[in-house]
Amino acid sequence: QKEVEQNSGPLSVPEGAIASLNCTYSDRGSQSFFWYRQYSGKSPELIMSIYSNGDKEDGRFTAQLNKASQYVSLLIRDSQPSDSATYLCAVNSFKAAGNKLTFGGGTRVLVKP
Amino acid sequence: DGGITQSPKYLFRKEGQNVTLSCEQNLNHDAMYWYRQDPGQGLRLIYYSQIVNDFQKGDIAEGYSVSREKKESFPLTVTSAQKNPTAFYLCASGHRGSYEQYFGPGTRLTVT
Repeated sequence: QKEVEQNSGPLSVPEGAIASLNCTYSDRGSQSFFWYRQYSGKSPELIMSIYSNGDKEDGRFTAQLNKASQYVSLLIRDSQPSDSATYLCAVNSFKAAGNKLTFGGGTRVLVKP
Repeated sequence: DGGITQSPKYLFRKEGQNVTLSCEQNLNHDAMYWYRQDPGQGLRLIYYSQIVNDFQKGDIAEGYSVSREKKESFPLTVTSAQKNPTAFYLCASGHRGSYEQYFGPGTRLTVT
């Protein structure tokens, strides 16, 4: 089992719809969870961080965390063509020393006008 | 302007040559990281450093070396021992004690 798993996609959503991305993780001790957006050919950009169970909203983005079920999700409301990118889920490695993150393989999102 | 810079953006080398990738940050971050990304894949950790003059191997350190002589700089050398060096190399930094990491623009290395 991979430490951090994401559906590779592509997740195709019409413009204006909600894109829902999921991420599961295996390390039950993980405490810090991040979503990065990566445009094709570019480096990842941190867009959301979440540390407590529940929802965290920032603009059109909402991160949801459920530690009991070991999943974290990202909702993108009113999806725009500019949201077309790969979204990487990252989770801290509680078992390892140092401030290490483990990344999922990413979900490619395509927003169609 | 605060940020993380990586140079060069594109790098081409012949097989058997060592090559050094530059990473500099002026964010006053203690921790710095090197990742490798292959097409369609996530990020894999090569090396990381939490303080000057100290660094640890990540998940795929074989064939790579690093140094951390200054807080601002964390260069990565891809040696001839690295069997598949062609990849997108990403440097990141963050505050010690925080898991948030911020990435530089990356260096795309092609070895033929």
